[in-house]
Amino acid sequence: DTGVSQNPRHKITKRGQNVTFRCDPISEHNRLYWYRQTLGQGPEFLTYFQNEAQLEKSRLLSDRFSAERPKGSFSTLEIQRTEQGDSAMYLCASSDPGLAGGSADTQYFGPGTRLTVL
Amino acid sequence: AQSVAQPEDQVNVAEGNPLTVKCTYSVSGNPYLFWYVQYPNRGLQFLLKYITGDNLVKGSYGFEAEFNKSQTSFHLKKPSALVSDSALYFCAVRDPNYGGSQGNLIFGKGTKLSVKP
Repeated sequence: DTGVSQNPRHKITKRGQNVTFRCDPISEHNRLYWYRQTLGQGPEFLTYFQNEAQLEKSRLLSDRFSAERPKGSFSTLEIQRTEQGDSAMYLCASSDPGLAGGSADTQYFGPGTRLTVL
Repeated sequence: AQSVAQPEDQVNVAEGNPLTVKCTYSVSGNPYLFWYVQYPNRGLQFLLKYITGDNLVKGSYGFEAEFNKSQTSFHLKKPSALVSDSALYFCAVRDPNYGGSQGNLIFGKGTKLSVKP
C-alpha cells in the first residue's frame, strides 16, 4: 500500500503524559500536513511542512504541541502534558505540488491516530 | 475570514434516487474547492476538486460538483445513490491568496449521507 500511513492507530493515555504520533507520507510527496478532528466537526488545520521546513502553524498548536519532519520524509507530532481536551483524531495528509507549486494540489489523508486522554 | 458551511447535518436518500449534499463558502478571492468522504474509523478520501475552468467537476465513484460563483456554492451531486455511498462528506476550501497560505484547508462540519435500500 503506497498511501499515507499513521502510527499508532489508537492511543490511550493519562492526563499529564506525553504522546508522540508518526506519519509516513506518500513517497516523494514533499508537503505534509497535520489536522485535528473532534467528534462532530471537520478537520482543523494544525501545521504544514514543505520538505523539512515547517512553514505554517495554526493558533491551535499551543506550546505543548510540537511537530518535526527532520529529513523531509516522515513526521512526528508530540503533545506534552496531555489534557482531556486533546482527545481527538489526529490526521496526517501529504501532497505533491508538482513543478508549478502553488496551492491547487490535492491532500491525501492517512487513517488517523485516535487519542483518548483519561 | 475564510469559512465553509454545510447547512445539513444529515441527508437521507433512497437508493437509486439522485442526491445532493450542499456546501457554501466564504473567501476573499477565487477559491479552490474540495470534497472528501469519510467512512467510519477511516481517514478522508478525496472525491473531487475545483480549481479553475469548467464549473462542473466530475470525480470518483460517479460524484460530481458544480461551482457557482454568484451563489458561492459547490454542491456535491450524484445521479443515482448507492447504499455504499452512506458516509460522512466534507467540503473544504482553500484561498490561494489568503496571507500567502499554502497549507490551510478549511473544512465544513460535515454532512452525514444515509442511503436506504
